[in-house]
Amino acid sequence: DAKTTQPPSMDCAEGRAANLPCNHSTISGNEYVYWYRQIHSQGPQYIIHGLKNNETNEMASLIITEDRKSSTLILPHATLRDTAVYYCIADYNNNDMRFGAGTRLTVKP
Amino acid sequence: EAQVTQNPRYLITVTGKKLTVTCSQNMNHEYMSWYRQDPGLGLRQIYYSMNVEVTDKGDVPEGYKVSRKEKRNFPLILESPSPNQTSLYFCASAYIPAGEQFFGPGTRLTVL
Repeated sequence: DAKTTQPPSMDCAEGRAANLPCNHSTISGNEYVYWYRQIHSQGPQYIIHGLKNNETNEMASLIITEDRKSSTLILPHATLRDTAVYYCIADYNNNDMRFGAGTRLTVKP
Repeated sequence: EAQVTQNPRYLITVTGKKLTVTCSQNMNHEYMSWYRQDPGLGLRQIYYSMNVEVTDKGDVPEGYKVSRKEKRNFPLILESPSPNQTSLYFCASAYIPAGEQFFGPGTRLTVL
């Protein structure tokens, strides 16, 4: 079983921010929070990861709560091409990457 | 171009006929891994390798073998495939174990 829980699906209007939540209440102190996405049956694509601090890159922002029990992935200006399944994963060194079912994000015009 | 390649991309075979799915990366990554993806079950890790000659079992290793004789290659071997190994397989690599994983395009395997 995945160590994280995510809503099965979400919708977002094109151009608006998409906020994808993830619960990881049993995360241990040395485990990172990773986000990947998968478009159709293509190979998953890395988005971002973090340990304690919030992180931002050219694709997204990752907000991790102070107690590290949950996080939110933010796509600041969602486009139709962001429609995908988004996976939140808690792992230390890639040897227990449990992708789970993820959140199916649909960006609508 | 930095990439992970898998071959073949599609394969239909019969029960018991040994097969190998190759995986190669050109990024000099130490870490490589194999996953399978099935409807409703997400991606599950089969085996991973932290470096040459070092491999470890993931969540679902039964029925699979791997080898890591060279840094760039990490083949997945099915000695006696069975229909329950019909799945979509992904290879991935990373520069360090706790870093970003780069995934290959996938191999869709059907075992009849």
